[in-house]
Amino acid sequence: AQKVTQAQTEISVVEKEDVTLDCVYETRDTTYYLFWYKQPPSGELVFLIRRNSFDEQNEISGRYSWNFQKSTSSFNFTITASQVVDSAVYFCALSGQNFVFGPGTRLSVLP
Amino acid sequence: DAGVIQSPRHEVTEMGQEVTLRCKPISGHNSLFWYRQTMMRGLELLIYFNNNVPIDDSGMPEDRFSAKMPNASFSTLKIQPSEPRDSAVYFCASSLWGRQETQYFGPGTRLLVL
Repeated sequence: AQKVTQAQTEISVVEKEDVTLDCVYETRDTTYYLFWYKQPPSGELVFLIRRNSFDEQNEISGRYSWNFQKSTSSFNFTITASQVVDSAVYFCALSGQNFVFGPGTRLSVLP
Repeated sequence: DAGVIQSPRHEVTEMGQEVTLRCKPISGHNSLFWYRQTMMRGLELLIYFNNNVPIDDSGMPEDRFSAKMPNASFSTLKIQPSEPRDSAVYFCASSLWGRQETQYFGPGTRLLVL
């Protein structure tokens, strides 16, 4: 069975700090896809990134970066120089034989 | 381009009533997904369609829930009869093809069953 674990239920940081959100997954599939979504207080789900299992290159997009390590089944998300607008719940998701979301990490960035 | 459209945005109903949620996917997307989000269970995939055909409905809670996709631009999720435990936010999402492609979500329907 597939599973996504986001061990950090809630994180609080002060603006401008860097913060890493952890995502650990379990799957028996050799081909799979990993995603991150953001859910701000307004409630919508916003797509951030999609990564396939054959591409272990790290990715950077502005203040956001992602570290995919197959050896540890992790796909961690780092926000550099966090801002108040980054406050949201962040979900990691896995698509293989099935599609499953992690439980989410609530990030609060304090001014 | 318009994103995924859901209606209504909010629904309050009484136990036992029928509830119908509606979704219009992004034009050109061939897959449509229905999710339910609650505090207790998080985001759960209820059902998804490819080319209007239900592919996986293993997440549908019970017979009270049904979903249809009569054409490529419209889907409904129906709960009959509704119960208080059905109170949740219901999201619709669409993708180009299947679960491996990026899913784009609608704004959700917040359902409260009294």
